[in-house]
Amino acid sequence: QLQLQESGPGLVKPSETLSLTCTVSGGSISSNSYYWSWIRQSPGKGLEWIGSIYYSGNTWYNPSLKSRVTISVDTSKNQFSLNLSSVTAADTAVYYCARRNWAGDKVVWFDPWGQGTLVIVSS
Amino acid sequence: DIQMTQSPSSLSASVGDRVTITCRASQSIGTYLHWYQHKPGKAPKVLIYAASSLQSGVPSRFSGSGSGTDFTLAISSLQPEDFATYFCQQSYNTPYTFGQGTKLEIK
Repeated sequence: QLQLQESGPGLVKPSETLSLTCTVSGGSISSNSYYWSWIRQSPGKGLEWIGSIYYSGNTWYNPSLKSRVTISVDTSKNQFSLNLSSVTAADTAVYYCARRNWAGDKVVWFDPWGQGTLVIVSS
Repeated sequence: DIQMTQSPSSLSASVGDRVTITCRASQSIGTYLHWYQHKPGKAPKVLIYAASSLQSGVPSRFSGSGSGTDFTLAISSLQPEDFATYFCQQSYNTPYTFGQGTKLEIK
C-alpha cells in the first residue's frame, strides 16, 4: 500500500525558506503514470495546490506561488521536496504531499495523501 | 482561477440519516470534480472522482452527481465513521482548486 510522509521543520522564520520532504513508501516514485504534488491548508485560504513534479523533473506550479516555489525529486531516495522562499505569516499552514492521479483528459485527483505537517512562520 | 463554493459549511446529522453536500463552481467544469473525506490528524482520502465514479474500496452509501457548475455528494445512511470534513476539488483548469470544506458533525 502506497504511503506518503512529510518531514521538515515545524517553525520557520519570516523571510527564510521553508523546506519539506515527502518520502514515498510501498511504491516507486518513478512510476510512469503519476505526478507527485504539494498541497497546503491554511485557515485563511483553505486548501491550495502548490505544484506537482514528475519523476523526470518536469514541474507544474500554481501561478500564485510560482516565483517562490521549487519542487524537486530524488528518485534514488524515493523522495520529493518543496522549497518555498521568502515566507511570511501567510505561509503558515498544514502542508500535505500527495500523488496526483490521472484517468485521462482532465480527470486529475489526489490520492493518497500524507497526514500533513504543520509549518508555522514566526520569529 | 475557478472558485469552488461548498454548502453548507457545517452540518449536524444522526446515524442513519441521508445527507447531501453541494459544491458549486464559478464556471462550468464538466464533470471534472472530485470529492474527499478528511478526518482530524489523518490523510484526506478520495471518495468520488469525475463527479460520480466511486473510488475503489469506498462504501456504496457514498455517491456523487452533477455536471457543469453544480455537484452533490450524498451519503445514503450515515455511519459513525462518516463524521468528518468533506471537500471538493476541480481539475478542469489549473491551478486545481478546492472547496472550503463541509464539516459533518453528530447531532
